[in-house]
Amino acid sequence: AQSVAQPEDQVNVAEGNPLTVKCTYSVSGNPYLFWYVQYPNRGLQFLLKYITGDNLVKGSYGFEAEFNKSQTSFHLKKPSALVSDSALYFCAVRGFIQGGKLIFGQGTELSVKP
Amino acid sequence: DTGVSQNPRHKITKRGQNVTFRCDPISEHNRLYWYRQTLGQGPEFLTYFQNEAQLEKSRLLSDRFSAERPKGSFSTLEIQRTEQGDSAMYLCASSSPQGEDWARGRRTFYEQYFGPGTRLTVT
Repeated sequence: AQSVAQPEDQVNVAEGNPLTVKCTYSVSGNPYLFWYVQYPNRGLQFLLKYITGDNLVKGSYGFEAEFNKSQTSFHLKKPSALVSDSALYFCAVRGFIQGGKLIFGQGTELSVKP
Repeated sequence: DTGVSQNPRHKITKRGQNVTFRCDPISEHNRLYWYRQTLGQGPEFLTYFQNEAQLEKSRLLSDRFSAERPKGSFSTLEIQRTEQGDSAMYLCASSSPQGEDWARGRRTFYEQYFGPGTRLTVT
């Protein structure tokens, strides 16, 4: 069965510092991985995806994520956090065999303080 | 690009009543998905359509839930005899079909674009 784990419910970072939001996955076959961000009372916004190719994926708003097959991880990173990055972040996996649905982690709340 | 829209944005209903939500996907997207999100959790898949065909339904989708996409454009999600446990945010998403990215010689999968959601409160 497919699953996604986000081990941290909350991540606190000072503005200007690098941030990492962790994600590990379990899936049969090749993983197709996504990061989404959710602001209060808003739908999810797509940030980036890994399908194949380079392990370092760049996305919107300066975010990037590193795919690590041996550690089954897909951590979200940003070199310099902004207060406006404060939001709820979701990692998701899509299995090819299982069709188009996404399996989401439980989310990590990112708080960036000035 | 008007994005995915959902109506209503909020719905308060009494237990036992029926409710219906509507989702209008991005116009050129032929895949449409429904998810449910409860407080403190990630979205959970309910069902998805490719054009008008409903291709997969989650076990979460009890007999009280039904979804349709009659003309392959907008979709409706109906909940009959609502229960308090149905209180949640119902999210709709759409995407282009998976396909081959021949320019790069590899398969690609398109991301899902989400609407703002319909928040259901059952009293």
